[in-house]
Amino acid sequence: DAEITQSPRHKITETGRQVTLACHQTWNHNNMFWYRQDLGHGLRLIHYSYGVQDTNKGEVSDGYSVSRSNTEDLPLTLESAASSQTSVYFCASSPGTGPSETQYFGPGTRLLVL
Amino acid sequence: GQQVMQIPQYQHVQEGEDFTTYCNSSTTLSNIQWYKQRPGGHPVFLIQLVKSGEVKKQKRLTFQFGEAKKNSSLHITATQTTDVGTYFCADPAGGTSYGKLTFGQGTILTVHP
Repeated sequence: DAEITQSPRHKITETGRQVTLACHQTWNHNNMFWYRQDLGHGLRLIHYSYGVQDTNKGEVSDGYSVSRSNTEDLPLTLESAASSQTSVYFCASSPGTGPSETQYFGPGTRLLVL
Repeated sequence: GQQVMQIPQYQHVQEGEDFTTYCNSSTTLSNIQWYKQRPGGHPVFLIQLVKSGEVKKQKRLTFQFGEAKKNSSLHITATQTTDVGTYFCADPAGGTSYGKLTFGQGTILTVHP
């Protein structure tokens, strides 16, 4: 069955380290998204992509980067991890064939920055 | 940017009581989506409302879209412990932000047996 996976599921890192969170989907969806979830803030969009070689900044993109070299993957990189980036990170995808599509979420990655 | 405000942030109910969460926008929405996230889980799509005044039901869940398409609500009748979780509304931005969703802050529902 098609799915969307994230790895690792849990990560502890130190301030200043570079961290990459993986997201992989097998639906052949064009659109992929990264969100962070913090209590009281809901889901906030970090970066998104409409297809290969396309990336766009979301509302909380500072300190994060993404790259889209193929349809299936959108890795999220924290260039120099900060304690403020401790959060739960969700990847999502949608087909990219219409304006108001359902998004399908991965299981999430819990990141702790010490 | 465009925001959707969701209230309340928390709701504690006894099993069997009803529950309602509200989503409000300062601008007219093209449509609205609702998601549910179980504790420790990920958001899962519930429904999309498109038409002004639209009402849709899923078993004990009733979703409404306001006549002016600026607000929406989710009502759960006779809550059960399986209803616990966070409920989010989401605004598909459309236009140049094709495919993006702007989420409300969510309502965390706890149900006491």
